[in-house]
Amino acid sequence: AAGVIQSPRHLIKEKRETATLKCYPIPRHDTVYWYQQGPGQDPQFLISFYEKMQSDKGSIPDRFSAQQFSDYHSELNMSSLELGDSALYFCASSQGGGGLLAEQYFGPGTRLTVT
Amino acid sequence: GQQLNQSPQSMFIQEGEDVSMNCTSSSIFNTWLWYKQDPGEGPVLLIALYKAGELTSNGRLTAQFGITRKDSFLNISASIPSDVGIYFCAGLIVKGGGGSNYKLTFGKGTLLTVNP
Repeated sequence: AAGVIQSPRHLIKEKRETATLKCYPIPRHDTVYWYQQGPGQDPQFLISFYEKMQSDKGSIPDRFSAQQFSDYHSELNMSSLELGDSALYFCASSQGGGGLLAEQYFGPGTRLTVT
Repeated sequence: GQQLNQSPQSMFIQEGEDVSMNCTSSSIFNTWLWYKQDPGEGPVLLIALYKAGELTSNGRLTAQFGITRKDSFLNISASIPSDVGIYFCAGLIVKGGGGSNYKLTFGKGTLLTVNP
């Protein structure tokens, strides 16, 4: 079965640079979530989109922005990168509406290293 | 915000043993999910629970949604080496206003080590 696709899988950036992470949800999933996971930590919710509209916002820095496009893929844009932004970034998707909407399926993640 | 207390933090067991882990919260959740994560990989959904008191199995895994809606447990029977990994519970509160406002709150994880 098709899974969530994230690209790139690894990214190395320097401080103050920008980065763009991409997420392609499971086909027919209309909701995308972004999570950040630091070393030894649990995933922390950043932001979500449902039908191309922002649906919820968590602890996302103002330096980060995201959007969901007409084909439901999503991009997380990160500017003025700081050392503390080094983490695994996960995208998850789910199908809105109906009893299965709570089941979020995670992608393999993008490991961002800021030097 | 909501917090989940997951225990134990880590477990070392022998192959073939059963293991149990649980999550508790001071808040009520509508849904409990259990994930397994291997190092450097994304969490993989194991079991989803939607109703208080619900008991659900997935192979050797069994999970229950507590009656109070503030807790859940996961049991793994007859553990095998590939069960090694970090297990996360995640709770979800359905927010009003329509749309899909379903952000997950995760526990801190249980690191499971299985000795062959």
